[in-house]
Amino acid sequence: ETGVTQTPRHLVMGMTNKKSLKCEQHLGHNAMYWYKQSAKKPLELMFVYSLEERVENNSVPSRFSPECPNSSHLFLHLHTLQPEDSALYLCASSQVAGGTKNIQYFGAGTRLSVL
Amino acid sequence: KQEVTQIPAALSVPEGENLVLNCSFTDSAIYNLQWFRQDPGKGLTSLLLIQSSQREQTSGRLNASLDKSSGRSTLYIAASQPGDSATYLCAVMGSARQLTFGSGTQLTVLP
Repeated sequence: ETGVTQTPRHLVMGMTNKKSLKCEQHLGHNAMYWYKQSAKKPLELMFVYSLEERVENNSVPSRFSPECPNSSHLFLHLHTLQPEDSALYLCASSQVAGGTKNIQYFGAGTRLSVL
Repeated sequence: KQEVTQIPAALSVPEGENLVLNCSFTDSAIYNLQWFRQDPGKGLTSLLLIQSSQREQTSGRLNASLDKSSGRSTLYIAASQPGDSATYLCAVMGSARQLTFGSGTQLTVLP
């Protein structure tokens, strides 16, 4: 148990659905991250939040909409996704964003399948 | 753009062997290099973090080295055990202070 909890663990959705992924950390960290892990590809950073403010958006399509209501919770709202969006979505947290001595702690991920 | 390559992509060894996993990166302007472990269906667990000024870090049976000028790192696992079976990921933190990951090495240790 890393202190970062993601729900749901598995999600199947149609291309016209709207769903949300949830991440919660109990480590007192100030930075939270969303990563995408596709089959046979390296992890890709999607968004970074620092103290509830988005500090990074790595050219992610607008069908992915993050939300960070407080420093312990992070959401990823999904709408009109494409089959190529099927992947493992990982949430992580660290003491500060971009801290060169900070370790990122990862959740177990949400396995998303878009039909 | 930073690129991180891990070789081999998969490795299978008998229990008890010492082994080396390799990681290379194209831009040597990094703050640190990190090794993670990922078990099937689970997230990543940090194993070792090497600052750019360091040459190596050790934790138990794990030893990671860093040669920043040549853009290389190795993860040495001594006396491998079946419980070491997992995917090992290398990541570097570059000038943008973001992690760039390799595709990983899938390790299987046979009993």
